[in-house]
Amino acid sequence: EPEVTQTPSHQVTQMGQEVILRCVPISNHLYFYWYRQILGQKVEFLVSFYNNEISEKSEIFDDQFSVERPDGSNFTLKIRSTKLEDSAMYFCASSEMGTGTVSKGYTFGSGTRLTVV
Amino acid sequence: AQKVTQAQTEISVVEKEDVTLDCVYETRDTTYYLFWYKQPPSGELVFLIRRNSFDEQNEISGRYSWNFQKSTSSFNFTITASQVVDSAVYFCALISAGAGSYQLTFGKGTKLSVIP
Repeated sequence: EPEVTQTPSHQVTQMGQEVILRCVPISNHLYFYWYRQILGQKVEFLVSFYNNEISEKSEIFDDQFSVERPDGSNFTLKIRSTKLEDSAMYFCASSEMGTGTVSKGYTFGSGTRLTVV
Repeated sequence: AQKVTQAQTEISVVEKEDVTLDCVYETRDTTYYLFWYKQPPSGELVFLIRRNSFDEQNEISGRYSWNFQKSTSSFNFTITASQVVDSAVYFCALISAGAGSYQLTFGKGTKLSVIP
């Protein structure tokens, strides 16, 4: 079964540093997403991306965050200057909803655990 | 605005017991989609089921069953004859498709512990 691949699985960074989280969505999917889960809390929407632009973003997704699809396969989330409160599991997801149908909702990657120290 | 409420924060059952996880949702849209995801201790999100708002048929998959009731805005999940491997956090989630939004709104999750 096709998978969404995220790298790295765990990243430790110092406060104030920039990090880039990488994702390879499923090849025929059209919508891409980042979600965040602070330890022990619920999964929260960050941003959705379609047709090479952001289609939706949440209040969490402030100017410190950016997303990019630099080539035909990768989808990245950049945090410019990390803060302690950015420590969380970050999930990438993709979906085939360009057809207007919802099948499995999304396919999630296994997540990147970001630890800011 | 949409909202998902999972009132049960943690549940513990003894192996082979049946357990029901509750989910109540709120949305103004007539077209929406409901989901359950499982998050085992390893951390990934595992898709379990999707339900459309126009399909109230309940579903059974092995030991899992789901009861969708629009009248009470509920989408409950029952595990029959629970096993230790069912121990995980279970999230109910909603896509409320009005205005072209496909954002998943999650509940806070229910942590299920199955004791051998």
